[in-house]
Amino acid sequence: AQSVTQLGSHVSVSEGALVLLRCNYSSSVPPYLFWYVQYPNQGLQLLLKYTTGATLVKGINGFEAEFKKSETSFHLTKPSAHMSDAAEYFCAVRYNQGGKLIFGQGTELSVKP
Amino acid sequence: DSGVTQTPKHLITATGQRVTLRCSPRSGDLSVYWYQQSLDQGLQFLIQYYNGEERAKGNILERFSAQQFPDLHSELNLSSLELGDSALYFCASSVGATSRADTQYFGPGTRLTVL
Repeated sequence: AQSVTQLGSHVSVSEGALVLLRCNYSSSVPPYLFWYVQYPNQGLQLLLKYTTGATLVKGINGFEAEFKKSETSFHLTKPSAHMSDAAEYFCAVRYNQGGKLIFGQGTELSVKP
Repeated sequence: DSGVTQTPKHLITATGQRVTLRCSPRSGDLSVYWYQQSLDQGLQFLIQYYNGEERAKGNILERFSAQQFPDLHSELNLSSLELGDSALYFCASSVGATSRADTQYFGPGTRLTVL
């Protein structure tokens, strides 16, 4: 079955430190890949997406992600964490024409001062 | 602000009851998607409508139904509610129905509590 795995349900970093949130998908057919962020009591906001072309994708708020087909991964990074980055992050994939997003279980990011 | 609106924001009801959740997509978007977010199941796709017609179905219970109206707003009807239906229900919209690259824009959600 097609699925998305996010390693680590909770990640804690210090302000200014590197943020690395991991996402792996299970399929021999590369999907389209998305990262969404959910702030408390809010809906999901798109951070970035990979469809085709350049495998390093830049998103909003200084985040970027790299699609690695050989590793079936799409990890999210940010060089320097800010307190405002504290939120829940979801990796999602889309395989079929149209239709659903398949979400990972989410990673809650905490940022310590 | 994604441009997707959902009402109500909160809903508290009793087991066995029926509720209706409403969603208005972004201007110009023809597809509407419904997702359920719960602690045990995470974010699960329920159903998609495109320009008034059902397009894709996910893990939607038979007690749940949805429709999209000519003005493109959508309603999700939940009936014979059970405690386990308590969750955050999101609506999302996108321009098309068939492009995998389409971005889905999410509304703020409706939090349903069944007592």
